[in-house]
Amino acid sequence: EAGVAQSPRYKIIEKRQSVAFWCNPISGHATLYWYQQILGQGPKLLIQFQNNGVVDDSQLPKDRFSAERLKGVDSTLKIQPAKLEDSAVYLCASSLVSGNYGYTFGSGTRLTVV
Amino acid sequence: GENVEQHPSTLSVQEGDSAVIKCTYSDSASNYFPWYKQELGKGPQLIIDIRSNVGEKKDQRIAVTLNKTAKHFSLHITETQPEDSAVYFCAASGSGGYQKVTFGIGTKLQVIP
Repeated sequence: EAGVAQSPRYKIIEKRQSVAFWCNPISGHATLYWYQQILGQGPKLLIQFQNNGVVDDSQLPKDRFSAERLKGVDSTLKIQPAKLEDSAVYLCASSLVSGNYGYTFGSGTRLTVV
Repeated sequence: GENVEQHPSTLSVQEGDSAVIKCTYSDSASNYFPWYKQELGKGPQLIIDIRSNVGEKKDQRIAVTLNKTAKHFSLHITETQPEDSAVYFCAASGSGGYQKVTFGIGTKLQVIP
């Protein structure tokens, strides 16, 4: 099966600019996650979707971050305006069902804010 | 919320030796413990997982042990090979739907040929 697709792979922007990341999960996977991975740390959950509904966005900085999942398939994560501390790898993952099952991660988007 | 601590942060072993990575978790309700391997430039990949009703699970050269009383779980890699070099993450999750998976900080494993 095809994996989780993410684009772009790399992005460099200046602080206060906006940026968007795109994710296409594995076909049929109902649950989609966006994680932020700062260099040298483990992934931190930003938002979890079940189909096209949000089930957990408690750690999403909502003053600058937003996410949507179109028709329960593709998802976009947006940052506006970006800060230096947003420099990280943004990982998208999906799973067939929610709960205690392994995720399949995409390769991520490496964001550098200068 | 759940807190997962992982150590060591870096580990170097000779090819053929064993490697052990240890994790502790704080939430006694957690009952699912996956391990992920992340190679440079790639996303984490699930390599093995264990649920709280099992004390040990093995898959070829990889094994995971769980001590629920002590809230400890460990990854054991035997007969290490250079391709095992990567960053390994432990994680913990509670029961039921929509449970958040909390990751450890990661262990960078280097296997020296």
